[in-house]
Amino acid sequence: AQSVTQLDSQVPVFEEAPVELRCNYSSSVSVYLFWYVQYPNQGLQLLLKYLSGSTLVKGINGFEAEFNKSQTSFHLRKPSVHISDTAEYFCAVSGSWTGANNLFFGTGTRLTVIP
Amino acid sequence: NAGVTQTPKFQVLKTGQSMTLQCAQDMNHNSMYWYRQDPGMGLRLIYYSASEGTTDKGEVPNGYNVSRLNKREFSLRLESAAPSQTSVYFCAVVKRVNEQFFGPGTRLTVL
Repeated sequence: AQSVTQLDSQVPVFEEAPVELRCNYSSSVSVYLFWYVQYPNQGLQLLLKYLSGSTLVKGINGFEAEFNKSQTSFHLRKPSVHISDTAEYFCAVSGSWTGANNLFFGTGTRLTVIP
Repeated sequence: NAGVTQTPKFQVLKTGQSMTLQCAQDMNHNSMYWYRQDPGMGLRLIYYSASEGTTDKGEVPNGYNVSRLNKREFSLRLESAAPSQTSVYFCAVVKRVNEQFFGPGTRLTVL
């Protein structure tokens, strides 16, 4: 079975500062990893995903994440945040085998960008 | 092209009332999912349907039933609502390689 731990429930950061949102996963098999963003009163949107290949994955809105297999981590980073990045961010994992479509979500990290 | 639509957007029920949450997709994908989202708990899977005519339980199925009427529609029914079912409900469609595409959500309050 897979599980996801998001280490920080809330992260406040000043505008134009860098940010890292942490995500660790546990799985005994190969996985796919995802970051989703949820803006207030909206559904979830995919930010980026790791399926295979390069461990550094670039997503929308200037975000990137690095897959680290030895540390079972998939931390999300952005070098300079904007007010519009204020949202909740969810890390998710699924198995990479055929038919394993179920996503397991972390509990979320609320990013607040301070002007 | 609306993607994934959910109705209603908001609903208030009294304990013991029933209701059905509707989800429809125009993406022509087989797999559809129902999640609930509660503060501090992330999203938890209630039921899913891998294809038309099949449904399976997720992590938190108790108190819910689902129907996959056709490829486009997947409904979630609460037969006798309880305050513990106050939540935001999201429907999702699997687009490709496990990428899920979410609807806008239904905010349900059970008094």
